[in-house]
Amino acid sequence: LAKTTQPISMDSYEGQEVNITCSHNNIATNDYITWYQQFPSQGPRFIIQGYKTKVTNEVASLFIPADRKSSTLSLPRVSLSDTAVYYCLVINNAGNMLTFGGGTRLMVKP
Amino acid sequence: DTAVSQTPKYLVTQMGNDKSIKCEQNLGHDTMYWYKQDSKKFLKIMFSYNNKELIINETVPNRFSPKSPDKAHLNLHINSLELGDSAVYFCASSFREGSQETQYFGPGTRLLVL
Repeated sequence: LAKTTQPISMDSYEGQEVNITCSHNNIATNDYITWYQQFPSQGPRFIIQGYKTKVTNEVASLFIPADRKSSTLSLPRVSLSDTAVYYCLVINNAGNMLTFGGGTRLMVKP
Repeated sequence: DTAVSQTPKYLVTQMGNDKSIKCEQNLGHDTMYWYKQDSKKFLKIMFSYNNKELIINETVPNRFSPKSPDKAHLNLHINSLELGDSAVYFCASSFREGSQETQYFGPGTRLLVL
């Protein structure tokens, strides 16, 4: 299983862009990188998924360098409601096991 | 419409008791999971069922047994509850598109063993 490493916590202010980087040094060729968001007292919610280069959706962007040993989740212009825990995980090539790391606790301040 | 639902939302019980947590998904997904989130917020996968067959069984105590009566349900039965079982248990279901998989989580069941 590809292990992931993320910062334990980050602080930001409303309106700023937030970038959360995740390391996954032993990612396998067929693995995908996925990010989930978890609010207090709720289950994780899918944000974005990618294999390489850049992926963008209405919520976030995901940047993956050529070696794929890391990835960066970018949240544009965060608001207070983006305060949550963000999990980076790698889907193995069989696709049936998700390894959640410790997550990054993002605190957005006014 | 709730995609993945769990009952009960809260469960407080005594050590040694047997309890069950129910999970239902109305998304038509083939795979369902149970996760345990401890006090440090680490999410650990416990079980996975695909078309009623267990395909992942992490090294959890055999006091925990998943039961899937049909594709839409994956219940978790716990025997002889221990203090260390106190945690939040999340059910999830997933679909696969090519090599990409997306999971949908339930709201969680907060178990407290006294």
